[in-house]
Amino acid sequence: DAGVIQSPRHEVTEMGQEVTLRCKPISGHNSLFWYRQTMMRGLELLIYFNNNVPIDDSGMPEDRFSAKMPNASFSTLKIQPSEPRDSAVYFCASSKSGTFYNEQFFGPGTRLTVL
Amino acid sequence: EDKVVQSPLSLVVHEGDTVTLNCSYEVTNFRSLLWYKQEKKAPTFLFMLTSSGIEKKSGRLSSILDKKELFSILNITATQTGDSAVYLCAVDPGSGNTPLVFGKGTRLSVIA
Repeated sequence: DAGVIQSPRHEVTEMGQEVTLRCKPISGHNSLFWYRQTMMRGLELLIYFNNNVPIDDSGMPEDRFSAKMPNASFSTLKIQPSEPRDSAVYFCASSKSGTFYNEQFFGPGTRLTVL
Repeated sequence: EDKVVQSPLSLVVHEGDTVTLNCSYEVTNFRSLLWYKQEKKAPTFLFMLTSSGIEKKSGRLSSILDKKELFSILNITATQTGDSAVYLCAVDPGSGNTPLVFGKGTRLSVIA
């Protein structure tokens, strides 16, 4: 099993540019989570999907952030326009919900730097 | 609001020392508590605890849960430089489709 796959691994962009982060969850997992991690705020949940449906996006900081999950094997997190304060590591995680065991498996993360 | 608080925020110890990391929580419902280790990359799973008083152990790491007092501890004995990482505590508030609630983590640095 390849685990959760994220791309790109690093992105450096200029303020105002659109950024798209991609995630492929573990096959068979039906819940997908997007997190943002910074030194100041730690790990923050942005949005999560269950069976491709967004369940809770209350963690999405602003309208500049949007996430989609068009099918069970792919999700995107888009920031448009990006700002320097969006610089962080963005993690995608997946789990198999509906069972007692709710361990989330994390992808390697995308380190975003907005100049 | 569900909350997980970890302490200390950071810790520096010498190799061979024993450390105890703390995690307290307030959640409306509780199903399990999980510990993760995060080195340079993504968090990796260490333990899941569901019952009070039953110690989970893996090598030099062990953890225990107290559901009455709403806390858990993670112990690391005979620390090594490879134990240096951020240790994250998360609580599963139950119901099957709810996300984990994470604490801010404890940054452990083990120096030779």
